[in-house]
Amino acid sequence: AQKITQTQPGMFVQEKEAVTLDCTYDTSDPSYGLFWYKQPSSGEMIFLIYQGSYDQQNATEGRYSLNFQKARKSANLVISASQLGDSAMYFCAMRARGGKLIFGQGTELSVKP
Amino acid sequence: DTGVSQDPRHKITKRGQNVTFRCDPISEHNRLYWYRQTLGQGPEFLTYFQNEAQLEKSRLLSDRFSAERPKGSFSTLEIQRTEQGDSAMYLCASSFRADLDYGYTFGSGTRLTVV
Repeated sequence: AQKITQTQPGMFVQEKEAVTLDCTYDTSDPSYGLFWYKQPSSGEMIFLIYQGSYDQQNATEGRYSLNFQKARKSANLVISASQLGDSAMYFCAMRARGGKLIFGQGTELSVKP
Repeated sequence: DTGVSQDPRHKITKRGQNVTFRCDPISEHNRLYWYRQTLGQGPEFLTYFQNEAQLEKSRLLSDRFSAERPKGSFSTLEIQRTEQGDSAMYLCASSFRADLDYGYTFGSGTRLTVV
């Protein structure tokens, strides 16, 4: 079965510091995609970063980078130089057969001034 | 292109009533997905369409739920005889079939409260 696990219900980080949000996945498919989304209190899901299973390099998008360790089946999100506006729920997701996304339980990130 | 639109944003209904939500995807996207998100949880897949064809339905989609996408454009999700357990955020997303690596765009959701 395909599954995403996020073990950190909540995280705190000081403004301007870096933070790592954990994500592990389980799949038997050789080809898959991993995503991170941000969900502010307003509810919309905002795409942050994508990593394909065959990508050799870790994905980066501005202050976001994905630490992809295929053998460990982990895809952790690293946010550098945290900002107050980064406070939100963060979801890790995997593209499953048919294109649907399977989401983890989420991590609530709080950035302290 | 204004993104994925969902209507209404909020809906309060009495138990036993029927409700219908609408999703307008990005016009050139041929895939449309519905998800349900309960408080404190990640979104769960309900169903998806490619053009007007409904290709997959989750076991979460009981007989009281029905979704349509006539003419492959907008989609509706109807819940009949609502129950308190149906209270959730209902999210719609659209994508290109051939661009599943980046192309998922989500709407802002419809928050349903069943009282």
